[in-house]
Amino acid sequence: DTEVTQTPKHLVMGMTNKKSLKCEQHMGHRAMYWYKQKAKKPPELMFVYSYEKLSINESVPSRFSPECPNSSLLNLHLHALQPEDSALYLCASSQRGGQGGTNEQFFGPGTRLTVL
Amino acid sequence: GQQLNQSPQSMFIQEGEDVSMNCTSSSIFNTWLWYKQDPGEGPVLLIALYKAGELTSNGRLTAQFGITRKDSFLNISASIPSDVGIYFCAGPPYETSYDKVIFGPGTSLSVIP
Repeated sequence: DTEVTQTPKHLVMGMTNKKSLKCEQHMGHRAMYWYKQKAKKPPELMFVYSYEKLSINESVPSRFSPECPNSSLLNLHLHALQPEDSALYLCASSQRGGQGGTNEQFFGPGTRLTVL
Repeated sequence: GQQLNQSPQSMFIQEGEDVSMNCTSSSIFNTWLWYKQDPGEGPVLLIALYKAGELTSNGRLTAQFGITRKDSFLNISASIPSDVGIYFCAGPPYETSYDKVIFGPGTSLSVIP
């Protein structure tokens, strides 16, 4: 299985809602990532989990809360978002780079989030 | 902070033509990754480069890791309509965490049948 899956594909939420994005991979990768991508822009790194521990937080607002329940799953919990948070949210995974693995990142199809 | 530049920003070519695009940085990179993204989809990894001077092919695609470690090139031969999309270079700058991959702004490719 060489696929990263993400659910839901589309999500519309109000500013007072709480929702979660889910990501799953079964490639045995030990690093997982969340990116945010606005239209016509490159992906921007938000969070990195390495061996199920948060290793990088790119100063993301606390209304975004990541969680890595196990090595195959990555969640992004959303609460009190703003309309400017509307974007494509991408999940990726890689072998653990720098320790005998590679950082070739494999991306899921993304969740298109709209905040009203 | 670290930044990647890609050129050209966009290109319109005839089907069958060859394509060249490049990626430059003021920082040294240990890895160069080339991705293609179709509208509404996630980026797909095309080629990964790990050594200065390395030349790697994947079908009609060829990429090179510049010897200065500050640039990389991607060539597409005999373009076809399905090559349309945005091409991103990416990689972790040498002085940052190996997991901290940054992306260039992208080159948008349009192929005219």
